[in-house]
Amino acid sequence: QQPVQSPQAVILREGEDAVINCSSSKALYSVHWYRQKHGEAPVFLMILLKGGEQKGHEKISASFNEKKQQSSLYLTASQLSYSGTYFCGTEGGGTSYGKLTFGQGTILTVHP
Amino acid sequence: GAVVSQHPSWVICKSGTSVKIECRSLDFQATTMFWYRQFPKQSLMLMATSNEGSKATYEQGVEKDKFLINHASLTLSTLTVTSAHPEDSSFYICSARAGTWNSNQPQHFGDGTRLSIL
Repeated sequence: QQPVQSPQAVILREGEDAVINCSSSKALYSVHWYRQKHGEAPVFLMILLKGGEQKGHEKISASFNEKKQQSSLYLTASQLSYSGTYFCGTEGGGTSYGKLTFGQGTILTVHP
Repeated sequence: GAVVSQHPSWVICKSGTSVKIECRSLDFQATTMFWYRQFPKQSLMLMATSNEGSKATYEQGVEKDKFLINHASLTLSTLTVTSAHPEDSSFYICSARAGTWNSNQPQHFGDGTRLSIL
């Protein structure tokens, strides 16, 4: 089942912050975050495995809620290089284990 | 580290032609490789999962005879689009993952192949 990402698009000025959400109707095994620039391969950002987990660094970090149904990606003091489409990929249990289902993506545009 | 090379990057060919796309992990052993299809401004749709030395597992709705996948070694997987038609035109991306199926390793993506069938 495809996770739901919000918002669909964000426009920022350099230095502003953004939050991208990824929600599932069922508890997940893991959430993976990727950034894709136009015409390029998605680039891995981070994986979250545990409920309540927060990881990343000062500029780009993510959280996974206790129920393991929602993850958020935090972009702080955005830079021009942050522009791109952000995808969350979720890993469920059962036959979905080991495979990722990607959300529809959030387009982030950072202006000078 | 974790570089995945995909070749070719762009293919234009006539309807009815078969096209082979290669996906190589350059600096790690990929026990599992994945093939995705991506339409413009849309998400990545998983087509199939392949494990080295075994048959690929296809997602529902993906034609096995149309999209032939071979994962002959720990560094190479190929996708062959047989008798391609205009509706097969798309952006195809592979990814590779190291470790066992439950090792919580990330997928590393190739640069993709843009396939245009005339």
